[in-house]
Amino acid sequence: EAGVVQSPRYKIIEKKQPVAFWCNPISGHNTLYWYLQNLGQGPELLIRYENEEAVDDSQLPKDRFSAERLKGVDSTLKIQPAELGDSAVYLCASSLNKYNEQFFGPGTRLTVL
Amino acid sequence: KNEVEQSPQNLTAQEGEFITINCSYSVGISALHWLQQHPGGGIVSLFMLSSGKKKHGRLIATINIQEKHSSLHITASHPRDSAVYICAGSGRSQGNLIFGKGTKLSVKP
Repeated sequence: EAGVVQSPRYKIIEKKQPVAFWCNPISGHNTLYWYLQNLGQGPELLIRYENEEAVDDSQLPKDRFSAERLKGVDSTLKIQPAELGDSAVYLCASSLNKYNEQFFGPGTRLTVL
Repeated sequence: KNEVEQSPQNLTAQEGEFITINCSYSVGISALHWLQQHPGGGIVSLFMLSSGKKKHGRLIATINIQEKHSSLHITASHPRDSAVYICAGSGRSQGNLIFGKGTKLSVKP
């Protein structure tokens, strides 16, 4: 069974440019999470989806970040415009539901120059 | 406020040693997760437990609900166990994980 798939694995952009990350969760997993992980820190939740509904986006900087999971399967996280401080690893995770074990993707390492 | 505290932050061991990483958590957290992250790698879920003890190979996780404390043990440690081990808690009413700061383990041959 395939795990959580993320692309791209690495992305380098200049500040003020837009960037998008894609995540395909494990088949059948209703809950999808986007996390941000800075170097040497634990992950921080950006947004959680239950199917296509964003049920917790309180930590998402909505002035520049947006996310969607239109059909309740794969999801896209966008930053526009990117800032230097956005350089981090963006992790996607999924679980059967919010009470179950979470499975993480390999992450997208973003570098903003 | 839900919190998760881990110790130690850094741990160096010799191959073959028995290793323990500790995690304490606050009221409101009903399940404890232990995760592993290799340098430059993704996060792998090792255990999720809300009571008792779980074992997988050389890894053992225990939880004491009364004391709000969990431990991850590694028996017969090996250099390939070198990684960051993260403790995370989740509450009954919501599934978001609250992460500890991680323990960086280095096992020397």
